[in-house]
Amino acid sequence: NAGVTQTPKFRVLKTGQSMTLLCAQDMNHEYMYWYRQDPGMGLRLIHYSVGEGTTAKGEVPDGYNVSRLKKQNFLLGLESAAPSQTSVYFCASSWGLTTDTQYFGPGTRLTVL
Amino acid sequence: KNQVEQSPQSLIILEGKNCTLQCNYTVSPFSNLRWYKQDTGRGPVSLTIMTFSENTKSNGRYTATLDADTKQSSLHITASQLSDSASYICVVRPPGGSYIPTFGRGTSLIVHP
Repeated sequence: NAGVTQTPKFRVLKTGQSMTLLCAQDMNHEYMYWYRQDPGMGLRLIHYSVGEGTTAKGEVPDGYNVSRLKKQNFLLGLESAAPSQTSVYFCASSWGLTTDTQYFGPGTRLTVL
Repeated sequence: KNQVEQSPQSLIILEGKNCTLQCNYTVSPFSNLRWYKQDTGRGPVSLTIMTFSENTKSNGRYTATLDADTKQSSLHITASQLSDSASYICVVRPPGGSYIPTFGRGTSLIVHP
């Protein structure tokens, strides 16, 4: 079991460029999440999914889009990257939505110049 | 706005010593309160979870307590080990249909030999 994996691990973008972060889980979890973690701040939920084909907005969704075409994958897209999106992005998955443990990936460090 | 405040911001202790980390929250009532451990460069890993009605929960050398009256939780680490060096994050999830948790900024713990 690989658990939750994220691709890529590091990325540097120029302002205005686009990219997609891939999250994959092999635990057959129904729920998946994208968070960002900034220095001096707690993790913040960007978007989440309650099942294949569904997505919902979290606390800080602006500037991001997501898709869940397959149950095991959750993609986070930046259409036009901005320096404010420089952050470490974490994907997580869980069986349930409120009490069940979320399993986190190793993170993607993104720098937007 | 829901808030989760953790103290101290950082803590240095000697191996074998005990320590206690604090979490004050404004979310009340809540669905659950969870403590995570996050090693440098990795995603958070769940240590304990408590519901609104629970007072204490243990996981090996980690014991979390909850005082709903004062809206405080603490994480006590017994007989610290070098591997306990990490950031410890308190997370509160609101009740009902809101899936957006509030993360604290974390306490950075360094255990010295």
